Amino acid sequence: QQPVQSPQAVILREGEDAVINCSSSKALYSVHWYRQKHGEAPVFLMILLKGGEQKGHEKISASFNEKKQQSSLYLTASQLSYSGTYFCGTGAHGSGNTGKLIFGQGTTLQVKP
Amino acid sequence: KAGVTQTPRYLIKTRGQQVTLSCSPISGHRSVSWYQQTPGQGLQFLFEYFSETQRNKGNFPGRFSGRQFSNSRSEMNVSTLELGDSALYLCASSAGVSGELFFGEGSRLTVL
Repeated sequence: QQPVQSPQAVILREGEDAVINCSSSKALYSVHWYRQKHGEAPVFLMILLKGGEQKGHEKISASFNEKKQQSSLYLTASQLSYSGTYFCGTGAHGSGNTGKLIFGQGTTLQVKP
Repeated sequence: KAGVTQTPRYLIKTRGQQVTLSCSPISGHRSVSWYQQTPGQGLQFLFEYFSETQRNKGNFPGRFSGRQFSNSRSEMNVSTLELGDSALYLCASSAGVSGELFFGEGSRLTVL
């Protein structure tokens, strides 16, 4: 089942912070975050795994609450380059499911000068 | 290191025709996944191939098929095209262990 992202859209001024949430009705094994700019491919931001392991870019932070089946992406001191659509994708357990992600509907973030 | 390459980037077909899309993964990546992206449905998983074997399949009709070659390059085929098949088709490769997906820029299919 598709995870639900909130909010659907955010408008920020440079330097402001934002939080994007991703909730699932199913138990989560892994949560992936990607950013897609208009006309471009989605770009990896972060993976959070059950058990606490995280892999991602230094300037991006995220949390993974296994009990609540929820992940949040934290964007601090936003820059114009942060603009784009953010997707969370949930992954199933096992190395055999690496490429199969169920993506949320996306959150559009616009950062203004 | 070259990224994921998809061809063609744009194509226009008519209903009833078939189409084949190609994806060359990052060198060394053995997992290739395909996704369909539309404004209404978002990013939807089509299938994943690993070492020439399909190991995951999404909820799409049998008109959608794929394969992977020994060099990890992958193709997907859509037969008997329908208007609703108009979409951006994204290919992603993965080294497997890390789970990070590297997406290509996609093939934009328009069905008239």
